[in-house]
Amino acid sequence: DVKVTQSSRYLVKRTGEKVFLECVQDMDHENMFWYRQDPGLGLRLIYFSYDVKMKEKGDIPEGYSVSREKKERFSLILESASTNQTSMYLCASSLYGQGNQPQHFGDGTRLSIL
Amino acid sequence: DAKTTQPNSMESNEEEPVHLPCNHSTISGTDYIHWYRQLPSQGPEYVIHGLTSNVNNRMASLAIAEDRKSSTLILHRATLRDAAVYYCILRSYNNNDMRFGAGTRLTVKP
Repeated sequence: DVKVTQSSRYLVKRTGEKVFLECVQDMDHENMFWYRQDPGLGLRLIYFSYDVKMKEKGDIPEGYSVSREKKERFSLILESASTNQTSMYLCASSLYGQGNQPQHFGDGTRLSIL
Repeated sequence: DAKTTQPNSMESNEEEPVHLPCNHSTISGTDYIHWYRQLPSQGPEYVIHGLTSNVNNRMASLAIAEDRKSSTLILHRATLRDAAVYYCILRSYNNNDMRFGAGTRLTVKP
């Protein structure tokens, strides 16, 4: 089975801090994704990557950046955390990017910005 | 992506089959029908997907209407561990991301 591991289940940070969320997948997948999930808003794509060092903006990239230096690892960076970035963050991976490919999710990081 | 419509909630008894419906009347020819579920405090979990034909895997079956405007996820024998929110999603072939709606909250009674 595919395993997508997110570094923290719960994280509390302060406004203005630089925050790093890490994600690792063990199935040699080409594509990796970062989403946030908020009540009533569903899942929203922040960034995705289709190869090492390649990235594409999703629907809500403002205030975030990403890094993919190795195929198995995809990091989400909150450059200067704000309270409106309090959310559940989900990382996912898929073998390829087409719509017939399942995405496999980690268990999420619940991030609180105080 | 085309929109899907699911009931807000459903109940089932343990060890009975569950049929979770999804309407997608504006589906296009290249849209795949995906189902995911999300257990409390966990990330979404892939269940099954299909294009035109019915599909079976170890978790569930997917029945797709002949006109593809609706589909049904079938859990053959519900267990308490199947209690979750189930999402029906359409993804076109060139679509890279997931757009979840509100889903159906399934409650399984012992």
